[in-house]
Amino acid sequence: AQSVTQLGSHVSVSEGALVLLRCNYSSSVPPYLFWYVQYPNQGLQLLLKYTSAATLVKGINGFEAEFKKSETSFHLTKPSAHMSDAAEYFCAVSDRNTPLVFGKGTRLSVIA
Amino acid sequence: GAVVSQHPSRVICKSGTSVKIECRSLDFQATTMFWYRQFPKKSLMLMATSNEGSKATYEQGVEKDKFLINHASLTLSTLTVTSAHPEDSSFYICSARDASGGSYEQYFGPGTRLTVT
Repeated sequence: AQSVTQLGSHVSVSEGALVLLRCNYSSSVPPYLFWYVQYPNQGLQLLLKYTSAATLVKGINGFEAEFKKSETSFHLTKPSAHMSDAAEYFCAVSDRNTPLVFGKGTRLSVIA
Repeated sequence: GAVVSQHPSRVICKSGTSVKIECRSLDFQATTMFWYRQFPKKSLMLMATSNEGSKATYEQGVEKDKFLINHASLTLSTLTVTSAHPEDSSFYICSARDASGGSYEQYFGPGTRLTVT
């Protein structure tokens, strides 16, 4: 079975500071990994995905994530936080045949 | 491309009534659809997986007689919450996958907020 652990249910950063949201996965097969963002009362928006190509993945809004097999990690980063980045972020794992399994989410707050 | 719609976006119903939520893939054929439920400030929990023309596969702990899923066509799946109660109030999100081309990606609908009074 696949699973995802997101370390830190709430992360707070200052505007302009580095954003780092942690995600570790467990999978018995090569995983596909995703990061989604959810704004209040809205659906999910795909930020980026890893699908066994380049290990450093660039997404929308300046976010990127690096797949590290040795660490079973897929942490999400952004060099400089913006107020509009405040939202809930979900890491998810799947393979070709299984539905996405989500982590518990990390709420990002950005302080002016 | 790969747009998934849900209707309605919000619904309020009285306890004991049934509510139907529609999920449509607008520009692709969804061979598989998934229904998730999200409690306030919580993650998404998979409720069931449905393949077109087949019975849905429910996750452990999900009452199949309460949450009726129909995937009658390649572009439409419905979730009916039968005899709804306040504890069924939640955010329901559908997702669709087009596996015909070997794709793995799931596309998500915007969600339906159900409030049972």
